[in-house]
Amino acid sequence: AQRVTQPEKLLSVFKGAPVELKCNYSYSGSPELFWYVQYSRQRLQLLLRHISRESIKGFTADLNKGETSFHLKKPFAQEEDSAMYYCALNDYKLSFGAGTTVTVRA
Amino acid sequence: EAQVTQNPRYLITVTGKKLTVTCSQNMNHEYMSWYRQDPGLGLRQIYYSMNVEVTDKGDVPEGYKVSRKEKRNFPLILESPSPNQTSLYFCASSYEGSSNQPQHFGDGTRLSIL
Repeated sequence: AQRVTQPEKLLSVFKGAPVELKCNYSYSGSPELFWYVQYSRQRLQLLLRHISRESIKGFTADLNKGETSFHLKKPFAQEEDSAMYYCALNDYKLSFGAGTTVTVRA
Repeated sequence: EAQVTQNPRYLITVTGKKLTVTCSQNMNHEYMSWYRQDPGLGLRQIYYSMNVEVTDKGDVPEGYKVSRKEKRNFPLILESPSPNQTSLYFCASSYEGSSNQPQHFGDGTRLSIL
């Protein structure tokens, strides 16, 4: 059963507009959730994790246990944010969502 | 430089010809794993290893083998590759297997099985 769902495969926004990437999970314990980003022709890299509650490159993500969601948000998208974004749940086995490709247009 | 190194980066081969993709990390990480990335399916874990001589199946282990004889190396072996194993493969490592540790990824290996 899929544990991480990213409902949007593609997301296109204009530069300066807000962007929100949705992530829903199914897990019975306390989840460890991450967002990874893959820029064109680069390796996957950690963007942020819920445990650290930090903002990276202007992105934030809040864990909502009631809605079992971990949506990624940025108030003002930049062209360099164009990338593939993966939500992931880790309980020794890291489960990824299908990914969302974000395109930020000038 | 701390990194995860995969080789080869690209490989085109034929059905049934055994191949090995190597993965090495220089961060003294205990946990290592392999994923395949396919369009529309995201990344799926093939195998993982919590430490030397300890390996476990991930979500899609069929057709693959791994070994962890040394801490730094975690090769992925395809004994008899088939076209449905054509994919982009990533190796990753983390300090330990605890769930709050982020994973460090290699650059990926693109395999084409004809």
